[in-house]
Amino acid sequence: DIQMTQSPSSLSAAVGDRVTITCRPSQTISIYLNWYQQKPGKAPKLLIYAASTLQNGVPSRFSGSGSGTDFSLTISGLQPEDFASYFCQQTYSAPPTFGQGTKVEIK
Amino acid sequence: QGLLVQSGAEVKKPGASVKVSCKVSGYSLVGQYIHWVRQAPGQGLEWMGWINPSSGDTNYAEKFQDRVAMTRDTSSSTVYVELRRLKSDDTAMYYCTRDEGPTSCCNWFDPWGQGTLVTVSS
Repeated sequence: DIQMTQSPSSLSAAVGDRVTITCRPSQTISIYLNWYQQKPGKAPKLLIYAASTLQNGVPSRFSGSGSGTDFSLTISGLQPEDFASYFCQQTYSAPPTFGQGTKVEIK
Repeated sequence: QGLLVQSGAEVKKPGASVKVSCKVSGYSLVGQYIHWVRQAPGQGLEWMGWINPSSGDTNYAEKFQDRVAMTRDTSSSTVYVELRRLKSDDTAMYYCTRDEGPTSCCNWFDPWGQGTLVTVSS
């Protein structure tokens, strides 16, 4: 199975900050990388698919980049509603696997 | 767009079985694969397997191979996951989610059901 390593596991940031979360798979996965946001007590929500494509309805302050073994999710101008956990996922090879998550907290 | 609505919370004893349902609406069930993903309290997301609602074909994570079954009822647009021989570490939120994208599987997961909490306790 492909192991997904996210960093950091948690971070504190202020409203308006630029935040970057990285995700590194244990082997190359082309651009088969998705990002999800999860708020407490809620189901995950798709933010970005295929490494950099923004899902419909997701604010443009979210962006994704990368390919191969190095990916990142950036939030440009953190908003109060963005405080949540974020997970990366690879679907390059079965089974699909997720990173352990990054919790974004208010500073 | 699609909506997935899951059955309610369950409390089971170790060794028992649980069956969780996921009813889809707003699109044709047979059009896209459904995955089941679980999340233990405070933990990450764990993929359990998928079902092709059109054919009934399934693919399970190796960890669950011998005690999980995913089925569907196309007449009611509902998919099910049954987990047998429950253990305390099966306590988790269980989610169904639709496979979206250009191929049949596996692309990205959207939308997700609201989740079903399964608690295993003696």
